[in-house]
Amino acid sequence: GAVVSQHPSWVICKSGTSVKIECRSLDFQATTMFWYRQFPKQSLMLMATSNEGSKATYEQGVEKDKFLINHASLTLSTLTVTSAHPEDSSFYICSASAGGRHEQYFGPGTRLTVT
Amino acid sequence: DQQVKQNSPSLSVQEGRISILNCDYTNSMFDYFLWYKKYPAEGPTFLISISSIKDKNEDGRFTVFLNKSAKHLSLHIVPSQPGDSAVYFCAASEVRGNEKLTFGTGTRLTIIP
Repeated sequence: GAVVSQHPSWVICKSGTSVKIECRSLDFQATTMFWYRQFPKQSLMLMATSNEGSKATYEQGVEKDKFLINHASLTLSTLTVTSAHPEDSSFYICSASAGGRHEQYFGPGTRLTVT
Repeated sequence: DQQVKQNSPSLSVQEGRISILNCDYTNSMFDYFLWYKKYPAEGPTFLISISSIKDKNEDGRFTVFLNKSAKHLSLHIVPSQPGDSAVYFCAASEVRGNEKLTFGTGTRLTIIP
């Protein structure tokens, strides 16, 4: 149980284009989903928290107009990186939790490379 | 401001021996702690957790110890197996913190056959 999928697993895009990453909880209803970013050999940095049907809460320093998050249902959240630049290249990971539980279950991550 | 710290970036342990990974935190509002295991280019996998009302939680080969007064927790893996080689992150959350997790910097564990 507690499986989270992420799509795509890797993507290469040109500078200035937008990229959408999907995160799905496959066998449970995720009341809350989280988006993280990880730079090489560093920890996971929380970007934003989203609850189904409401606006995401962004961490300090994260541009909400650049990283658009939509949590349309209890099983799907999307992160859109708009007008991507090479410095947006990173490993993006989503996680999901259910019903006020502390445990978060993570997707496999998406490697984004902006050329 | 790193609120959760893992001071050992790497650790090597002989197969069959005990692996002990340490984690310190500074935020006294943290009251739930978790350990995750991560392989390269994959998402973290949940291992074990502990609430602040406990000082020990055990699940198979994994035991987490919490010392609230010292703001310190540790993960014990015994016996260590080659498949345990990975990066281990400790994480902490507050009961009223919207379930947000604050992650440590990670410790790379290598099990030597």
